[in-house]
Amino acid sequence: NSKVIQTPRYLVKGQGQKAKMRCIPEKGHPVVFWYQQNKNNEFKFLINFQNQEVLQQIDMTEKRFSAECPSNSPCSLEIQSSEAGDSALYLCASRGTGGPLYAEQFFGPGTRLTVL
Amino acid sequence: QQKVQQSPESLSVPEGGMASLNCTSSDRNFQYFWWYRQHSGEGPKALMSIFSDGDKKEGRFTAHLNKASLHVSLHIRDSQPSDSALYFCAASEPGNTRKLIFGLGTTLQVQP
Repeated sequence: NSKVIQTPRYLVKGQGQKAKMRCIPEKGHPVVFWYQQNKNNEFKFLINFQNQEVLQQIDMTEKRFSAECPSNSPCSLEIQSSEAGDSALYLCASRGTGGPLYAEQFFGPGTRLTVL
Repeated sequence: QQKVQQSPESLSVPEGGMASLNCTSSDRNFQYFWWYRQHSGEGPKALMSIFSDGDKKEGRFTAHLNKASLHVSLHIRDSQPSDSALYFCAASEPGNTRKLIFGLGTTLQVQP
């Protein structure tokens, strides 16, 4: 069973407010991904890290999105000024670097963001 | 256009029946595929991966890959009510990131 921990499970914000969510990857997994799953089940890759370094990120939706994975602290994803269109399930996933070339990504339960 | 397309959108099978889910990629760079399952209120969980032509069997689940047509399928034998969930086909994007490119999913309902 996945041990990726995401908090909070639910987040309700007004438009323009900051929204911050956290992720503790599975122990020993140095690679962390953030995905957005909308109500139509479309997954959108946002960013991923290996240890503390960004490997790849999208255009971070007009710079309103920021993320970090500091050492010895949870990873975080923050939306500076929430918009209604940001309402979605935000999923954190982690994987190791050993083993098969395309190793399994383990997902947390997600943070469901609702922007009113 | 979705690079990973799934069909059908939804599927209902009786308990004990066979469920067949389909997935097609439009990008020949995608060579490694995953099937993930997501129950309501949870994150996706990997069922199995496949990257070689042919069948791969794990318990009641069998995945099939045809690299020439970039078609992937998942067959669930002896379906159980607990198999009722959203099923996603995902392709691992090659390169350093190996992020997953997901289809829109198939909702499976197993009728007791």
